[in-house]
Amino acid sequence: DAEITQSPRHKITETGRQVTLACHQTWNHNNMFWYRQDLGHGLRLIHYSYGVQDTNKGEVSDGYSVSRSNTEDLPLTLESAASSQTSVYFCASSDAGTDTQYFGPGTRLTVL
Amino acid sequence: GEDVEQSLFLSVREGDSSVINCTYTDSSSTYLYWYKQEPGAGLQLLTYIFSNMDMKQDQRLTVLLNKKDKHLSLRIADTQTGDSAIYFCAETLNQAGTALIFGKGTTLSVSS
Repeated sequence: DAEITQSPRHKITETGRQVTLACHQTWNHNNMFWYRQDLGHGLRLIHYSYGVQDTNKGEVSDGYSVSRSNTEDLPLTLESAASSQTSVYFCASSDAGTDTQYFGPGTRLTVL
Repeated sequence: GEDVEQSLFLSVREGDSSVINCTYTDSSSTYLYWYKQEPGAGLQLLTYIFSNMDMKQDQRLTVLLNKKDKHLSLRIADTQTGDSAIYFCAETLNQAGTALIFGKGTTLSVSS
């Protein structure tokens, strides 16, 4: 069955380290998204992509980067992790021409 | 900019109806969504409504849309303890096309 997966599911890192969170979908969806979820803020859009080689900044993109080298993957990189980036990160995907997004199970990141 | 507002908490007794309300700002959203998040899990698409509809019913779920007031509601009939979760309202991020803007989520607590 087609699905969207995230890895790792849990990650603890130290301030200043580079961290990459993986997102992989097998639906062949053109659109992929990264959100972070924090208490009191709901879900906030970090970056998104509408296809290979396309990336766009979302509401809270500072300190994060993404790259889209193929349809299936959109890794999220924290260049220099900060404690403010402790959060739960969700990846999502959707087909071209539709807004309906399907979410991965999330990655809980703790920056010490 | 776009914004989606929801009340944060709702508590009901099992068997009662639950009504979760949402207001949004972007009147050009093509679709409006309700997502459900159970503890420790990702977001699951619950239902959605096309912007030219006033109402959509899907088993125990009824979605009402008042475009004039930019108000969206989700009614859950015969609420069960398994309905306890966080419910997110979402609208399309107009500038991006298919990215979504989420409300902060309404925590529904169902007591037996």
